[in-house]
Amino acid sequence: AQTVTQSQPEMSVQEAETVTLSCTYDTSENNYYLFWYKQPPSRQMILVIRQEAYKQQNATENRFSVNFQKAAKSFSLKISDSQLGDTAMYFCAFMKEYNQGGKLIFGQGTELSVKP
Amino acid sequence: GAVVSQHPSRVICKSGTSVKIECRSLDFQATTMFWYRQFPKQSLMLMATSNEGSKATYEQGVEKDKFLINHASLTLSTLTVTSAHPEDSSFYICSALGAAGEKLFFGSGTQLSVL
Repeated sequence: AQTVTQSQPEMSVQEAETVTLSCTYDTSENNYYLFWYKQPPSRQMILVIRQEAYKQQNATENRFSVNFQKAAKSFSLKISDSQLGDTAMYFCAFMKEYNQGGKLIFGQGTELSVKP
Repeated sequence: GAVVSQHPSRVICKSGTSVKIECRSLDFQATTMFWYRQFPKQSLMLMATSNEGSKATYEQGVEKDKFLINHASLTLSTLTVTSAHPEDSSFYICSALGAAGEKLFFGSGTQLSVL
């Protein structure tokens, strides 16, 4: 069975600075997807970034980037130039290949506070 | 972009009554939909997977007779909480997998409060 672990329940960062959220996972699959989702106070789940395991290049989306270490089963999220609107719960998630069901396994979450 | 509509956004009911939550894919066909439950300050826990036209697959520990799931069409899945109790109070979120199988979209969630 797959597991996802986020070891930082809470983090805070000053506005405009950089913060890194950690995530590790365990799987015996070779092909899979990893995600970071943001859940603001509205509780709408918002996809931040997606990484395909077969791609060696780390995914980036504007101020958000990941450090994907497949051998170490590590998938951290870096937020650059943090903004007040980045304040939210962040969930790391694992999915087997889409054609194997599309089921997401979530980590425990990290509550990020961006301070002015 | 694709939208998943979930209704109601908030419901309050009396203990012992049943509550139905709808999850609709508005501009795509969803072959598979998922139902999650989330307690305050906690993660999303998968309850069940529903495929159009077939019985839902429930995760271990989830009572299928209590949480009835119906996926009668490619755009609609419903979750019915039967004989609700206060411990069923939670935030329920659905997600839908597009027929092309490459995108997953979330509904906006339903806060259920059982008095």
